[in-house]
Amino acid sequence: GAVVSQHPSRVICKSGTSVKIECRSLDFQATTMFWYRQFPKQSLMLMATSNEGSKATYEQGVEKDKFLINHASLTLSTLTVTSAHPEDSSFYICSASRRGPNYGYTFGSGTRLTVV
Amino acid sequence: AQSVTQPDIHITVSEGASLELRCNYSYGATPYLFWYVQSPGQGLQLLLKYFSGDTLVQGIKGFEAEFKRSQSSFNLRKPSVHWSDAAEYFCAVPNYGGSQGNLIFGKGTKLSVKP
Repeated sequence: GAVVSQHPSRVICKSGTSVKIECRSLDFQATTMFWYRQFPKQSLMLMATSNEGSKATYEQGVEKDKFLINHASLTLSTLTVTSAHPEDSSFYICSASRRGPNYGYTFGSGTRLTVV
Repeated sequence: AQSVTQPDIHITVSEGASLELRCNYSYGATPYLFWYVQSPGQGLQLLLKYFSGDTLVQGIKGFEAEFKRSQSSFNLRKPSVHWSDAAEYFCAVPNYGGSQGNLIFGKGTKLSVKP
C-alpha cells in the first residue's frame, strides 16, 4: 500500500517550453504533497508544499511563477515548470504525507528533466 | 531548527561484510527518525522508521537501526551487505520547526559494494 505514481520518469524539452509533472497517490488520500528538487550527488531540497484545495507554499528562493503547483484533488498534484531553461534541468521528486496511524511519507519515483 | 548529519559521504564495503551508516540529529526532544534508500534515477524507498518504544528497529532488506538518545544518533546497520545494496542512503527527521510537515534530510551516504 501507500504508492505514489510519478510521471513522466524522464522528459526532454526545448528551452522556453513548459513541462508538467504529475504525482498521484494510488491507494490513499494525500492531503499534503511535497515537491523536492535534487541536484546530482546532493540531497533533496524542498521546493514547495501543496495542500489539497489551497495555494502551495513555496520555500525561500523558489520562483512560484516558474514552478506552478496544483493540488486539485486528494490524489493528484502537479508541478509545471514554465518557460524552462537549461538551469531548470534536474531531478524532481514528489512525496505525499500520511497522517494518523499510518503516519509517514511516500515518495514518487522521480522525474529527470533535461532542458535543451 | 533541527538538523540531520550524515558524516560519511561515501563508504565502500566488500560484499558479505557488515555495514554501519551513521546519522546524528539535532533536536531538543526525541524526533521521529527515518532511513531511506535511493537507487540511481529512482525515488526514495523507506527502509525503516523510529517513532518510540524499542530503540532497535528492524526494517526491510535485512537492515536495522538503533536509536541512541545519549548520542543523538540513529545509525543504520546490516550484518552482511549484498551487491544490490549499493545505493544512496538518507537519514531524515520531520521538520518540527516549520509549518509544512516536510522531512529534513541529511546529505546522504553513497554506499559502494566491492565484489
